[in-house]
Amino acid sequence: AQKITQTQPGMFVQEKEAVTLDCTYDTSDPSYGLFWYKQPSSGEMIFLIYQGSYDQQNATEGRYSLNFQKARKSANLVISASQLGDSAMYFCAMRGVNQAGTALIFGKGTTLSVSS
Amino acid sequence: NAGVTQTPKFRVLKTGQSMTLLCAQDMNHEYMYWYRQDPGMGLRLIHYSVGEGTTAKGEVPDGYNVSRLKKQNFLLGLESAAPSQTSVYFCASSPTGVRGTSGFGQGTRLTVV
Repeated sequence: AQKITQTQPGMFVQEKEAVTLDCTYDTSDPSYGLFWYKQPSSGEMIFLIYQGSYDQQNATEGRYSLNFQKARKSANLVISASQLGDSAMYFCAMRGVNQAGTALIFGKGTTLSVSS
Repeated sequence: NAGVTQTPKFRVLKTGQSMTLLCAQDMNHEYMYWYRQDPGMGLRLIHYSVGEGTTAKGEVPDGYNVSRLKKQNFLLGLESAAPSQTSVYFCASSPTGVRGTSGFGQGTRLTVV
């Protein structure tokens, strides 16, 4: 069965420092996508970054990068130069070709707190 | 281009009452989904639809029904609300394939007393 595991309930970082949020996944699908979403205190789900299972290079979007290690089944999110506005809940998610309607499966999330 | 719009944003129900949550998307996406979010649980799939007129059960479907009469709309119904259905509900839509990025509605905070 497909599964996403986020083992860090909470992370703390100071402004301008880099932080890594961990995500491991389990799937038998040959083709899948990995996503990270940010949920600020206002509640909306904000898409951050995507990595396809066949992509050769790690995805990057501005200050966000995804450290994709396929053999280890990990897809960690790296935020460089943290800002106060990065304080939020972060969800790792996966979509597989054989999953129900290719629905996103989510991890339980990591709460990131950025301090000045 | 509004993306995905959910109504209402907040609702308080008494146990046993019924209600319908409406989701509308203007991105011409084939796939639509309803999730619930509970503290410490992430988002869990309730029901989904892979096209107009089709629906299927997700991980936690009990107590909910859905309909997709039009491609752009996906309705979630609670026939007899229970306190266990107190949650934040999200609607999402996506294009076909694993690369498609899902758009999410703003969420509906439902409290059942």
